[in-house]
Amino acid sequence: QSALTQPASVSGSPGQSITIGCSGTDRDVGGHDFVSWYQHHPGKAPKLLIFDVTQRPSGVSGRFSGSKSGSTASLTISGLQAEDEADYYCASYRSSANYVFGTGTRVTVL
Amino acid sequence: EVHLVESGGGLVQPGRSLTLSCAASGFTFDDYAMHWVRQAPGKGLEWVSGITWNSGSRDYAESVKGRFTISRDTAKNSLYLQMNNLRVEDTALYYCARLQLLADYFDHWGQGTLVTVSS
Repeated sequence: QSALTQPASVSGSPGQSITIGCSGTDRDVGGHDFVSWYQHHPGKAPKLLIFDVTQRPSGVSGRFSGSKSGSTASLTISGLQAEDEADYYCASYRSSANYVFGTGTRVTVL
Repeated sequence: EVHLVESGGGLVQPGRSLTLSCAASGFTFDDYAMHWVRQAPGKGLEWVSGITWNSGSRDYAESVKGRFTISRDTAKNSLYLQMNNLRVEDTALYYCARLQLLADYFDHWGQGTLVTVSS
């Protein structure tokens, strides 16, 4: 059950924008709009940031936005802040009622 | 407020069994599908298993199929994961997560319980 592909790390300076990609196939990311993104500080509960590719839950900062093109989804963090330093995971529904996560991206604020 | 609290983790030898629990509160447990997701040391998140609101369907990752069993008890507002024939590679922090209604994303997560499989 292969994971979705994300870059291992992305970094940026405070105030900058960064984008994290999430590459899948037409069995998952490319086959529907059920892509979500999670922020994870190690040892804590993961936090939902984006669902259904572009939707943001109430309470999540507008600095986080999602998009998709073909089989690649993306998460953009605008106005990068020190508190954004964490691990980020994409996830997608895959056929046969299974779910798959991305390999994870460590975001570093320089 | 939604709360999910996992318990039952610990150190266990390869080949042995362990049952994890997840106590849910702050929402109508019967309405929601529930899932287990794990994170091995130094690795990413991995979906493990899920169960529908009425236990009508249970699904498993290939890596645990035939060894793990997911279940739920509506009277106790609890989710369970029975893990048999444990392997070293099952060592991980196990999270329970709620699947949002009529959707395919996990909107609430617990803090996790650590399972270590080692001789």
